[in-house]
Amino acid sequence: GENVEQHPSTLSVQEGDSAVIKCTYSDSASNYFPWYKQELGKRPQLIIDIRSNVGEKKDQRIAVTLNKTAKHFSLHITETQPEDSAVYFCAASIDTNAGKSTFGDGTTLTVKP
Amino acid sequence: GAVVSQHPSRVICKSGTSVKIECRSLDFQATTMFWYRQFPKQSLMLMATSNEGSKATYEQGVEKDKFLINHASLTLSTLTVTSAHPEDSSFYICSARYSHSGNTIYFGEGSWLTVV
Repeated sequence: GENVEQHPSTLSVQEGDSAVIKCTYSDSASNYFPWYKQELGKRPQLIIDIRSNVGEKKDQRIAVTLNKTAKHFSLHITETQPEDSAVYFCAASIDTNAGKSTFGDGTTLTVKP
Repeated sequence: GAVVSQHPSRVICKSGTSVKIECRSLDFQATTMFWYRQFPKQSLMLMATSNEGSKATYEQGVEKDKFLINHASLTLSTLTVTSAHPEDSSFYICSARYSHSGNTIYFGEGSWLTVV
């Protein structure tokens, strides 16, 4: 089955700096890669996703890059703000069955004011 | 966007009793819903896939007789934890696939279960 590894497990940055979280996956059949933000005790919220037919996607301060050959994808957050502090999960799945995603272990991001 | 509601948000029950958690898609029909379990500071682990009108598909290692899943309508799936034990205490989250948004899944608010 799919195996997703996420690094780092914790990340602390100063407000205004950039944050990068990286994930690798094992199953070359995976073609859908969402990123979720989860605040303590709350539901995961989709913040950005990318499909394997593109290499990069950007939405304001958030971007995701995908390297299919190397089987890794990364989340980039620029101009970080304290409200960006949360746990971020990457996931990988086959597009038509996104609910069966394999999730990374999560990265706790702390943005210091 | 699509809204998925989960109830109750928190529940405390005694060992040996059963607890039911509901997951509803409020503004769309969800033929498929998913149930996850999340321990503190850990990732989401898929427990089962709930299909409307048919039996749920359980992931390896998940006891189907302990975690009963029913998907009786296109907007409601339920998870019943039977004969609950303290080790069943966890955060349970459902999600539903919204086919009109490219198969994006939307999560419920989650339910904290504490078994005492």
